[in-house]
Amino acid sequence: QLQLQESGPGLVKPSETLSLTCTVSGDSISNPYYYWGWIRQPPGKGLEWIGSIYYSGNTYYNPSLKSRVTISVDSSKNQFSLKLSSVTAADTAVYYCARLPGFGGAGSTDYWGQGTLVTVSS
Amino acid sequence: QSALTQEASVSGTVGQKVTLSCTGNSNNIGNYAVGWYQQISHGAPKTVMFGNSLPSGIPDRFSGSKSGTTASLTISGLQPEDEAAYYCSTWDYSLSAVVFGGGTKLTVL
Repeated sequence: QLQLQESGPGLVKPSETLSLTCTVSGDSISNPYYYWGWIRQPPGKGLEWIGSIYYSGNTYYNPSLKSRVTISVDSSKNQFSLKLSSVTAADTAVYYCARLPGFGGAGSTDYWGQGTLVTVSS
Repeated sequence: QSALTQEASVSGTVGQKVTLSCTGNSNNIGNYAVGWYQQISHGAPKTVMFGNSLPSGIPDRFSGSKSGTTASLTISGLQPEDEAAYYCSTWDYSLSAVVFGGGTKLTVL
């Protein structure tokens, strides 16, 4: 059974960099049929895609966040990571990692992590 | 404003059939698979439909379809535990991005 688990600080100061890691178990992050992505949900709001990565390292980012986002993969640890720089209170959200099947366009997820709340505050 | 349009709220009674819609355009829904997600009480989303496939463990009262640039999620035989927010997503070629709908709050009366 595939499991994704987010980890990282729950509190980040304004202007600093948010860093999260997603550990994958039950599948190889090098599986060529899937992309791996980050999605967030601000309190009381809807879902927002942050970006996705393929095992080869190819990345795709939300245009509205692209200047601040870096997603990377560590195949040796079966993990992928998110870095979001220059955070503000608007970046406070529950952050989810997810698997996105490549067939059909990689625009949908089949598995989600449980999510982790990141609060931006001094 | 979301790239995909969903009803803000839908309600139905136990046992009823309800259909949720997700409307886009030829750059997204018209050409790519659509996913549907159930989110109960702000917990983690759960995928209830991927394209035309029902994920393992999801009751077969859930079904999905697509016509042109509108995707639909139908729940036949609505149950109290189906009360949740439902979101749709797909790839958008023109934006080079994954796009989500704003979500539909389903209330079971």
